[in-house]
Amino acid sequence: AQKITQTQPGMFVQEKEAVTLDCTYDTSDQSYGLFWYKQPSSGEMIFLIYQGSYDEQNATEGRYSLNFQKARKSANLVISASQLGDSAMYFCAMREAQTGANNLFFGTGTRLTVIP
Amino acid sequence: GAGVSQSPSNKVTEKGKDVELRCDPISGHTALYWYRQSLGQGLEFLIYFQGNSAPDKSGLPSDRFSAERTGGSVSTLTIQRTQQEDSAVYLCASSLMGGGAVDEQFFGPGTRLTVL
Repeated sequence: AQKITQTQPGMFVQEKEAVTLDCTYDTSDQSYGLFWYKQPSSGEMIFLIYQGSYDEQNATEGRYSLNFQKARKSANLVISASQLGDSAMYFCAMREAQTGANNLFFGTGTRLTVIP
Repeated sequence: GAGVSQSPSNKVTEKGKDVELRCDPISGHTALYWYRQSLGQGLEFLIYFQGNSAPDKSGLPSDRFSAERTGGSVSTLTIQRTQQEDSAVYLCASSLMGGGAVDEQFFGPGTRLTVL
């Protein structure tokens, strides 16, 4: 089974509007971390936001917030006030702390296009 | 400070040849990761180094793939007898601790490998 599922291959959003990118995960670990990365067309992976499984509050970083619903195993990324520079691929990833594996499991990504 | 660097940025090779890809992690980072990103896909974990511990090779797709990390710093990923399905972007990342709460992974720009 896929550990990270991103069901939206592509999304469009009007500039200045908010957009939600979906991510669900699958793990039996109690301790894990969820990450979102942005990959512009230039190819570099840019870390956006992190949510720990024990964090009670949703993570926020500027215009990015993570809608963490633990019971549903979802960790959706919300981008508020979209900007043209937000057009990129967005990847959700998970690290399972209890297994001792430190690598990240990535989803297949969502391509976001911001429309002027 | 300097980020993760990788060389070469692009590599074109013929099927059956061996290739070496290099990664220079951020100074002081003890953990180093190799991932592979095939066209239009998410990142696939390959191998993980943490300090002087034995590497986690669980993601290597075949015995044609190997990696080493000399002196706890620079790493080389070697692919022997390359196949066309090895064509992908190979991304290296490093992190400070190799685990823990956030322990953000910083990614290099990647090496685009094309096997003809």
